[in-house]
Amino acid sequence: DGGITQSPKYLFRKEGQNVTLSCEQNLNHDAMYWYRQDPGQGLRLIYYSQIVNDFQKGDIAEGYSVSREKKESFPLTVTSAQKNPTAFYLCASKTWSTEAFFGQGTRLTVV
Amino acid sequence: SQQGEEDPQALSIQEGENATMNCSYKTSINNLQWYRQNSGRGLVHLILIRSNEREKHSGRLRVTLDTSKKSSSLLITASRAADTASYFCATDDQAGTALIFGKGTTLSVSS
Repeated sequence: DGGITQSPKYLFRKEGQNVTLSCEQNLNHDAMYWYRQDPGQGLRLIYYSQIVNDFQKGDIAEGYSVSREKKESFPLTVTSAQKNPTAFYLCASKTWSTEAFFGQGTRLTVV
Repeated sequence: SQQGEEDPQALSIQEGENATMNCSYKTSINNLQWYRQNSGRGLVHLILIRSNEREKHSGRLRVTLDTSKKSSSLLITASRAADTASYFCATDDQAGTALIFGKGTTLSVSS
């Protein structure tokens, strides 16, 4: 089945720790996106990538990093520089000028 | 921020009634998309309308687009309890790169 998979579903981070969220798609989509969603809020764009080995910052990139070494994969690292990382993180993929397909999300909590 | 706005933020109706949600955006677009999100889940695409279209239908959904006013509306007719969810609009910019979401409308349909 084609789709987009995020893992893990739940993630706990200690203060000062870096954590990496996984996003994999087998839809052969060129573009991939990471969004952050806070309770009762909309989606805010963190980073996006249109092609392998290239990515652009979104509105709230500070404290996050990404890589795009393969077309299928777009991992997001939440670094210790992100002071308020507790949120729901959503990954999406699409081709040009079409609808996006979303993963089921990763809920990150600082403990 | 390029983030758009949905209006109203929350909407409560009875089963069988129609629900109308509005979306305003800030930049020139290639297309505008509507998505649905059930609590704690990923987003699901509902309908896409291109910048040269004014109205589009899909089942009980009707979407309009006014590019001169930079606004769109989503009408759900004969609503059901299962339509209870958050609804988001998203704009695909003219380059077809960034996909920017609004803050969403939370719809509650009671039986």
